[in-house]
Amino acid sequence: DTAVSQTPKYLVTQMGNDKSIKCEQNLGHDTMYWYKQDSKKFLKIMFSYNNKELIINETVPNRFSPKSPDKAHLNLHINSLELGDSAVYFCASSPQAAMNSGNTIYFGEGSWLTVV
Amino acid sequence: GNSVTQMEGPVTLSEEAFLTINCTYTATGYPSLFWYVQYPGEGLQLLLKATKADDKGSNKGFEATYRKETTSFHLEKGSVQVSDSAVYFCALSKAAGNKLTFGGGTRVLVKP
Repeated sequence: DTAVSQTPKYLVTQMGNDKSIKCEQNLGHDTMYWYKQDSKKFLKIMFSYNNKELIINETVPNRFSPKSPDKAHLNLHINSLELGDSAVYFCASSPQAAMNSGNTIYFGEGSWLTVV
Repeated sequence: GNSVTQMEGPVTLSEEAFLTINCTYTATGYPSLFWYVQYPGEGLQLLLKATKADDKGSNKGFEATYRKETTSFHLEKGSVQVSDSAVYFCALSKAAGNKLTFGGGTRVLVKP
C-alpha cells in the first residue's frame, strides 16, 4: 500500500482554471506538507499542517489554498492558474513536528501540473 | 536563515566508479541532515539521514557522515550502478514544524 498517495499524477489545464490536488497518508502521521519543485528541480516548502492546523505558510500566493479535513488528508486547491504554476507538487507527511526534529518526512510520488 | 549548498551536476560516471556528492549547510545549532533521491519520473525517497554530529547514515551502499566542524554531509558510494542514475538532494531540518530546506539537487548519470 502506498504510504503517501496523491492524485492526479498528471494534470494539464488551461490558464485561469481552478484545480485541486488530493493527498492522503496512511502512516498515522500528525503532520502533512506541500512542496513545490520547479523546472530546475528546486524544491521548496509551501505549507505544513499539524493535526489539521496550519503551522507553516511560506509566502505562497493566496490563489493556493490548502485544506485538511482530517489529519490523514491535505488537499491543495489552486485558483486562477497561471503559467508559472507549472511544476511538480509533492505531498509529504511525518510524525508530529517538533523543534529540531529529525523525523523523516515521507513524500508522495508527485503531481505534475502543466498550465497551458 | 538555513541553507544547503550542493555541487551542481550533472555528474557522469562509468559503472563501478566511486561517487562523491558534496553538501554543505548553514544553520545555527544542530540540524538533522538528509539525503533524498529522485529517480527519473518518480517522487522523492529518503536515502539516509543523520541527526547528530559524527553520526553516519548509510543505505544501499551509500554513506554520509555528519561533520559539524566543516558543516558538511557529503554523500559517497564506492561502486555505482546504472540504476543509481537519479537526482540526489541534500536537505536539513531545523525549525519548528520540521521544515526541510533542500539543496539544488545533483543529477548523476551512470553509464554502462
